[in-house]
Amino acid sequence: DQQVKQNSPSLSVQEGRISILNCDYTNSMFDYFLWYKKYPAEGPTFLISISSIKDKNEDGRFTVFLNKSAKHLSLHIVPSQPGDSAVYFCAARPRPLYNQGGKLIFGQGTELSVKP
Amino acid sequence: EAGVTQFPSHSVIEKGQTVTLRCDPISGHDNLYWYRRVMGKEIKFLLHFVKESKQDESGMPNNRFLAERTGGTYSTLKVQPAELEDSGVYFCASSQVPQRQGSSPLHFGNGTRLTVT
Repeated sequence: DQQVKQNSPSLSVQEGRISILNCDYTNSMFDYFLWYKKYPAEGPTFLISISSIKDKNEDGRFTVFLNKSAKHLSLHIVPSQPGDSAVYFCAARPRPLYNQGGKLIFGQGTELSVKP
Repeated sequence: EAGVTQFPSHSVIEKGQTVTLRCDPISGHDNLYWYRRVMGKEIKFLLHFVKESKQDESGMPNNRFLAERTGGTYSTLKVQPAELEDSGVYFCASSQVPQRQGSSPLHFGNGTRLTVT
């Protein structure tokens, strides 16, 4: 049973516009949520994170929103640039009570394509 | 600072053969994780080492998979005998502190793409 879901396998956006990537999770056992970005033939790289006690975190062009009641988070990229084209993974970290070593649970990824 | 390195980058083997993947974490990182991504699906946790000890191996699929980290430096992941469903990209990641302490992100290697035919 998948606990972190990214239901959109792909997204295409025009350069300069906003990209919105979505992620849903199934329970309240997570204390941190993270977004990773992955280029072809490379490993995922950390982008931005948010604690479960917050509802927004911003870093430059990237903002993550957390809606705990809906068990939903989203990543906004404004303005989108062609170099943002990559696969974006949402990840969640179970609370220490459920997670002795700190493993992350990832979604399936969403492939973002930013057109010039 | 050198990043996480994985070897080989690609491996094609036949069903029933043995393959060993290697991961060199960032120097000084005690925490080492193995993950796997199969057929464009989610990235799944396999196991976590703290130095040479296995902290959590709850994600290992079955006893055909054996991970070691002798001396607490590099790690190997051996698949023996390989099956078709083992195909995928195997990622190694390391961190200085466990992920459970704060939000210190994982540093991933570029992965090993394993194809079992």
